[in-house]
Amino acid sequence: AQSVAQPEDQVNVAEGNPLTVKCTYSVSGNPYLFWYVQYPNRGLQFLLKYITGDNLVKGSYGFEAEFNKSQTSFHLKKPSALVSDSALYFCAVSPPQWGGYNKLIFGAGTRLAVHP
Amino acid sequence: NAGVTQTPKFQVLKTGQSMTLQCAQDMNHNSMYWYRQDPGMGLRLIYYSASEGTTDKGEVPNGYNVSRLNKREFSLRLESAAPSQTSVYFCASSHRDRVGQETQYFGPGTRLLVL
Repeated sequence: AQSVAQPEDQVNVAEGNPLTVKCTYSVSGNPYLFWYVQYPNRGLQFLLKYITGDNLVKGSYGFEAEFNKSQTSFHLKKPSALVSDSALYFCAVSPPQWGGYNKLIFGAGTRLAVHP
Repeated sequence: NAGVTQTPKFQVLKTGQSMTLQCAQDMNHNSMYWYRQDPGMGLRLIYYSASEGTTDKGEVPNGYNVSRLNKREFSLRLESAAPSQTSVYFCASSHRDRVGQETQYFGPGTRLLVL
């Protein structure tokens, strides 16, 4: 079965330190990969996506993600965390065999807590 | 440009009652989606509409119906609400660009409590 795993329910990091939020997937073919962020009582906001090309993708708010095909991973990173980055982060995958339509499989989410 | 809007923001229903969740987008997107979000489970697709006049089932369609009223609006109906439908519901829309890529944009959500 196709799935997305975010192995950490919560990630705690001190402000100014680098952060990583992990994501691995189990999807055949070459999927499209996405990261979304959800702030309290808000909808999901698009951060970045990987379609093809450079394995390091840059997105909004200083975030970037590294695609690793051999490890089927798409970890979200930021060099220096801010308290305002505290939110719920979702990794999502769109399998290519779904006719090109953007039907997404979401991970369960990782709560990022950045402490002053 | 309001993006994706949803009404109501919050609703309490009794078991067996019906209601319709409304969604509208002003980005001229072709595709629209309904998801539900439950703790520890991420978002699960209920129904989607690839274009005006078409709808298809997603991962968890049971107990729901949808209507793609026009290109802008995509509504989700619960005919007989059950406590298991207590959730946060998100609408999203997307458009395929010239190279065939799509990105989904989400509304603020509707929090539904079924007693």
